[in-house]
Amino acid sequence: QVTLKESGPVLVKPTETLTLTCTVSGFSLSNGRMGVSWIRQPPGKALEWLAHIFSNDEKSYSTSLKTRLTISKDTSKSQVVLTMINMDPVDTATYHCARMFQPRYAYYMDVWGKGTTVTVSS
Amino acid sequence: QTVVTQEPSFSVSPGGTVTLTCGLSSGSVSTNHYPSWYQQMPGQAPRTLIYSTEIRPSGVPDRFSGSIVGNIAALTITGAQADDESDYYCVLYMGSGIWVFGGGTKLTVL
Repeated sequence: QVTLKESGPVLVKPTETLTLTCTVSGFSLSNGRMGVSWIRQPPGKALEWLAHIFSNDEKSYSTSLKTRLTISKDTSKSQVVLTMINMDPVDTATYHCARMFQPRYAYYMDVWGKGTTVTVSS
Repeated sequence: QTVVTQEPSFSVSPGGTVTLTCGLSSGSVSTNHYPSWYQQMPGQAPRTLIYSTEIRPSGVPDRFSGSIVGNIAALTITGAQADDESDYYCVLYMGSGIWVFGGGTKLTVL
């Protein structure tokens, strides 16, 4: 069974750095047809794709947030880590990680974590 | 910056058919964007309905179908049921490992 579970702080202060961890099970982060993305959703708002890491360690970032994001993985620990610098109250959201699976030509988010809620407030 | 557009809201009668759309603020949606669609119930993580334009993962009812119509991607729900009332999101692949979500459509079944 494939599962993803997000963990990290519930509350961060403005200007601080957020570090979130996605722990996966049921698949390997070295599988060439799989990667992991981070997606967030502010309260009452739309989902927003943030970043992705491929099995070969290539990374990609949202155009609007790329200066603030870093994604990395530790295959031996089955973990993907997202850091976001200079947090602001508008970054308050539920942060999800999702497995990206490439059955044929393209990836899609086939399994999602339940998400972790992060509030940015002083 | 390219924006992925969806209707903010839509309503359908029980048993009816509804088509939700997914477009681009600049340009046309094509199969090369590999449109995917996700359903999100309140307080839950999204569930995949469609990927690569029209492919349904196992377990998704065949009353959900995806297509490209003209220059937009479309999700059609036939025989709408009460538990289809939900938020629906499309995602487009922009190339270079970048994906963009649409703003979502809140579907009401009444």
